[in-house]
Amino acid sequence: AQTVTQSQPEMSVQEAETVTLSCTYDTSENNYYLFWYKQPPSRQMILVIRQEAYKQQNATENRFSVNFQKAAKSFSLKISDSQLGDTAMYFCAFTSGANSKLTFGKGITLSVRP
Amino acid sequence: GAVVSQHPSWVICKSGTSVKIECRSLDFQATTMFWYRQFPKQSLMLMATSNEGSKATYEQGVEKDKFLINHASLTLSTLTVTSAHPEDSSFYICSARPGTSGPYEQYFGPGTRLTVT
Repeated sequence: AQTVTQSQPEMSVQEAETVTLSCTYDTSENNYYLFWYKQPPSRQMILVIRQEAYKQQNATENRFSVNFQKAAKSFSLKISDSQLGDTAMYFCAFTSGANSKLTFGKGITLSVRP
Repeated sequence: GAVVSQHPSWVICKSGTSVKIECRSLDFQATTMFWYRQFPKQSLMLMATSNEGSKATYEQGVEKDKFLINHASLTLSTLTVTSAHPEDSSFYICSARPGTSGPYEQYFGPGTRLTVT
């Protein structure tokens, strides 16, 4: 069974600074997909970024980028130039695609300070 | 693109009654839809997976007779909470997955807050 671990329950960052959110996972699969989802106070889940395991290049979406270390089974999210609107709960998620289920981590609450 | 709607966004019902929640994919066809439950400050807990035209697959510990799921079309899935009780009060979220191949991301509805009095 796959597991996703987010060991930091909370983080805080000053506006305009950079923050990195950690995520590790465990799987015996070789091909899989990883995601970061954002859940702001509205509770709407928003897909932030995705990474296919077979791709060596780290995914980037504007201010959001990942550091994907397949051998270490690590998938961290870097948020550059943090904005107040980045305040949210962030979930790391995994799927192997075999049965389409997403396995979520416990989430991390990120607060951006003005 | 990839918008999922959910209705109602908030519902209060009396103990013993049933409540239906609708989940629609607005601009894509969803072969698979998922239903989650979320408690405050916690992660999403998958309740069931539904595929269009077939019976839903429930996660261990989820009562299928209590949480009825129907996926009648490629754009609509419904969750009916039958004989609701106060312990069923929660935030319910649906998601939809377009297509049958990778990268398998899910798009989420805005959620439904259910309060059972």
